[in-house]
Amino acid sequence: DAGITQSPRHKVTETGTPVTLRCHQTENHRYMYWYRQDPGHGLRLIHYSYGVKDTDKGEVSDGYSVSRSKTEDFLLTLESATSSQTSVYFCAISELSTSGEQYFGPGTRLTVT
Amino acid sequence: TQLLEQSPQFLSIQEGENLTVYCNSSSVFSSLQWYRQEPGEGPVLLVTVVTGGEVKKLKRLTFQFGDARKDSSLHITAAQPGDTGLYLCAVILTGGGNKLTFGTGTQLKVEL
Repeated sequence: DAGITQSPRHKVTETGTPVTLRCHQTENHRYMYWYRQDPGHGLRLIHYSYGVKDTDKGEVSDGYSVSRSKTEDFLLTLESATSSQTSVYFCAISELSTSGEQYFGPGTRLTVT
Repeated sequence: TQLLEQSPQFLSIQEGENLTVYCNSSSVFSSLQWYRQEPGEGPVLLVTVVTGGEVKKLKRLTFQFGDARKDSSLHITAAQPGDTGLYLCAVILTGGGNKLTFGTGTQLKVEL
């Protein structure tokens, strides 16, 4: 299994509070991704990173920001959490390849009340 | 609109039965991936198919990429309770970065 950890694994927070989720990898993979998974929508890309300090938006980036100051860490921040951001968040990593396989972390369940 | 349509959405079968799930699109892809996700865990890559008409086998699972590279199927022979999970297909988006888009998945439950 790829060495990917996410923290926290579960979090309950109130509307309007900032939240940061952490993804840590030990595989030295170049690409890192944040997805959210919701019933009926599957996995949707929030942001991704193609190197240290290099990030770009995904399909559902509004309300989220990311940072990558080290190869191994990719942070997802909800500046002011809303109930619509209640979801399960997955981090994934990938190395450059023609088929683009990704390896996922165990997920963080976030509830915004 | 969803780029990848998966069917059926839900499937509940008895142990020992065979089943097929589908991933369809109107677009052509250079490759397609299948993942399985168990409750409380992240998706795990099962296989990547890259050639039109390609068939890959993983024990009791058979994956096929359509000749036109627009669709794929996953066939499970003699399903077991351990096959229970969410099966997701995914393809690489254009624009670099190895970005994937996923289908909404087929939720499979195999009962004793």
